[in-house]
Amino acid sequence: QKEVEQDPGPLSVPEGAIVSLNCTYSNSAFQYFMWYRQYSRKGPELLMYTYSSGNKEDGRFTAQVDKSSKYISLFIRDSQPSDSATYLCAMSAKTGNTPLVFGKGTRLSVIA
Amino acid sequence: DVKVTQSSRYLVKRTGEKVFLECVQDMDHENMFWYRQDPGLGLRLIYFSYDVKMKEKGDIPEGYSVSREKKERFSLILESASTNQTSMYLCASSFLVGGEQYFGPGTRLTVT
Repeated sequence: QKEVEQDPGPLSVPEGAIVSLNCTYSNSAFQYFMWYRQYSRKGPELLMYTYSSGNKEDGRFTAQVDKSSKYISLFIRDSQPSDSATYLCAMSAKTGNTPLVFGKGTRLSVIA
Repeated sequence: DVKVTQSSRYLVKRTGEKVFLECVQDMDHENMFWYRQDPGLGLRLIYFSYDVKMKEKGDIPEGYSVSREKKERFSLILESASTNQTSMYLCASSFLVGGEQYFGPGTRLTVT
């Protein structure tokens, strides 16, 4: 079983839709969770990070962590064509010397 | 803002050539990382460095070496480039090994 699983998509939605992107993980030691956005031919950029369980909101983006289910989500409200990108989840135990573990990314297209 | 720069955006090399990819960060981060990214395979960690002159192998170190002589600079070396090393190479840095990483724009390397 891979440590982090992420549906690769592609996911295509109409402009204005609510988008839900998800990752599951197997390592119960993970406590630090991140979402990255990567536009085509660019490097990933950090979008949001959360520590432990709960929700975090930033504008149209909400990150949600459910440690009991080992499941994290990123919600995008009022999606825009500029949100079209690949979204990668990443996580770590933070303590110790283990780098982030990344999901493979979900490709999202928002159609105008 | 964290700034991570990479020496080239696009590079074309011949099989057997020695290739140097350079990465510089300006945030005084202890940790630096080299990844390659291929369609369907996601980000794969090649090497990371947690201090000057210190390095750790990642998931796919074969065919690569690294050098970190100064804190802000991390180089990836392909000793003898092969066609299966054609890929997007991404450098990142972070304050903690398991903390949020900040990526450079990437180098698209083609080996012919």
